[in-house]
Amino acid sequence: NAGVMQNPRHLVRRRGQEARLRCSPMKGHSHVYWYRQLPEEGLKFMVYLQKENIIDESGMPKERFSAEFPKEGPSILRIQQVVRGDSAAYFCASSPPTQTGQQFFGPGTRLTVL
Amino acid sequence: TQLLEQSPQFLSIQEGENLTVYCNSSSVFSSLQWYRQEPGEGPVLLVTVVTGGEVKKLKRLTFQFGDARKDSSLHITAAQPGDTGLYLCACRPGTTDSWGKLQFGAGTQVVVTP
Repeated sequence: NAGVMQNPRHLVRRRGQEARLRCSPMKGHSHVYWYRQLPEEGLKFMVYLQKENIIDESGMPKERFSAEFPKEGPSILRIQQVVRGDSAAYFCASSPPTQTGQQFFGPGTRLTVL
Repeated sequence: TQLLEQSPQFLSIQEGENLTVYCNSSSVFSSLQWYRQEPGEGPVLLVTVVTGGEVKKLKRLTFQFGDARKDSSLHITAAQPGDTGLYLCACRPGTTDSWGKLQFGAGTQVVVTP
């Protein structure tokens, strides 16, 4: 059973460009979470999605950031008009629709904004 | 928002030594998780503690949950270079223990040298 997959693993963008980060959850998992990790810091929650629904986006910046988890295909975290402060590691986690709700993390996408 | 404080921030020890890292909060945890994150990878769950006073052992790792459920510790006996990593504690904000976002501490970076 493959784990959570994220691509690309590394992404370089210039200021003003768009960044698209993809996350494929583990098989059978219908819940996806996105976290951001800045250097020397722990992970900060961004958004929690189920298929076609945003459940909690309390950690998402108000502008430039959006996330989706369509009925088919991976979850996408989209950052428009990137700035240097967006440089970070972005992790996706998935969990099954059960009471335990353990989250399994992907390897992350390291975004560098030049 | 429940603030998780981890200490120390950084710990460097020789192989064979013991170490303890701490996770504290001013609020009561409904449950607490410990993760280890290696460079370039996502966090991996080590243990979940739920009951005040609970002690769990995972080979050379011993996890303790404080009686008042406001603090937790991770003790490693006879550390090995493979124990090197960022140790993170995490909880779910609020009083429910169902799905949803995880809140992480900033982590303790442990380096074990041969």
